[in-house]
Amino acid sequence: SAVISQKPSRDICQRGTSLTIQCQVDSQVTMMFWYRQQPGQSLTLIATANQGSEATYESGFVIDKFPISRPNLTFSTLTVSNMSPEDSSIYLCSVPDGLEAFFGQGTRLTVV
Amino acid sequence: AQSVAQPEDQVNVAEGNPLTVKCTYSVSGNPYLFWYVQYPNRGLQFLLKYITGDNLVKGSYGFEAEFNKSQTSFHLKKPSALVSDSALYFCAVGATDSWGKLQFGAGTQVVVTP
Repeated sequence: SAVISQKPSRDICQRGTSLTIQCQVDSQVTMMFWYRQQPGQSLTLIATANQGSEATYESGFVIDKFPISRPNLTFSTLTVSNMSPEDSSIYLCSVPDGLEAFFGQGTRLTVV
Repeated sequence: AQSVAQPEDQVNVAEGNPLTVKCTYSVSGNPYLFWYVQYPNRGLQFLLKYITGDNLVKGSYGFEAEFNKSQTSFHLKKPSALVSDSALYFCAVGATDSWGKLQFGAGTQVVVTP
């Protein structure tokens, strides 16, 4: 099974600033996914990060707010830009491995 | 479009009693169904999946789920609940055109009392 490391595990940020979250996988994967889990809510897909092409964003999410990089097959970053308190959430990256989807431990972001 | 529904926000059960967490789905085509569990301050842990084959799927920690195509359901079950099973459970459906891309239900909080 894929092992996924996310950094940072948590952070407290000032509004108006940006935070970049890193996701490292121990194997090469074509697709990586970024999800958001708002407090008390379910997980919502933000975007699909494909190596060698631009990320594909879901409805309600835009590249200017959540720019994504995918420089190689084992790494991706998600940036939360110009943060507001409404961005306080857990952000998780996920990769498919065989017939399963594995998740990182998540990044708990609090915007003050 | 695909969707998944978990009709119960919370399920309360006494330790040792059977546990059932309900999930229904809607997909166009063959469903790929998953159950995940989330403990406080921890990431999502995979419990089990249904792709094809036997309708009764066995997973981690003694959990199992029954796929029912006619009722479009995929309920999670455990014959004898433990206090340590108290957590948030998510049902999810996978996209047939984009493997690994999941649509999650709202989640069901399971509380197991001693």
